[in-house]
Amino acid sequence: AQKITQTQPGMFVQEKEAVTLDCTYDTSDPSYGLFWYKQPSSGEMIFLIYQGSYDQQNATEGRYSLNFQKARKSANLVISASQLGDSAMYFCAMREPYYGNNRLAFGKGNQVVVIP
Amino acid sequence: EAQVTQNPRYLITVTGKKLTVTCSQNMNHEYMSWYRQDPGLGLRQIYYSMNVEVTDKGDVPEGYKVSRKEKRNFPLILESPSPNQTSLYFCASSLQGLDTEAFFGQGTRLTVV
Repeated sequence: AQKITQTQPGMFVQEKEAVTLDCTYDTSDPSYGLFWYKQPSSGEMIFLIYQGSYDQQNATEGRYSLNFQKARKSANLVISASQLGDSAMYFCAMREPYYGNNRLAFGKGNQVVVIP
Repeated sequence: EAQVTQNPRYLITVTGKKLTVTCSQNMNHEYMSWYRQDPGLGLRQIYYSMNVEVTDKGDVPEGYKVSRKEKRNFPLILESPSPNQTSLYFCASSLQGLDTEAFFGQGTRLTVV
């Protein structure tokens, strides 16, 4: 069964506007970590933000914030004031406490294109 | 500078010709892993290593081997590459723990013809 679901089609966003990227996850473990990574066209994976399952507050990092709704198993990424450099693929990932494996389970990604 | 270094960045090879993709990290991380990325599938784990001489299969290990003789290095070996192993490969390292950031290498784009 898929652990991370990202189903939005590719998105076009106007520069300076906010964009929300959807991510739902599936786990029966009460303890887990959620991550968002950015992959620009150059290919590298860039860590953006982290949310722990026990964190009371939604995580924020600069223009990135995570809308964490635990009961709905949802961890949406919000990018405020989009910039042209935000054009990229965005991946949601989850880490569960498998013994010995620090694996990140990734979703299929959301493509974002920021237009001037 | 903290980094994960993969080589080569690009590789075109022929079916059956053994190849190795190297990965090295300078952060003294115990945990290292390999992922492959294919369009529409996201990243899938191939193999991982908890520490030196400790390796285990991930979700898609068929056709791959790894070794961890030193803490900093975690090479990926394709003994007999096939066209279905054409993919973008990433090495990653991190400390153990739910909240630890995974640091990724630059990626290796492999084409097997």
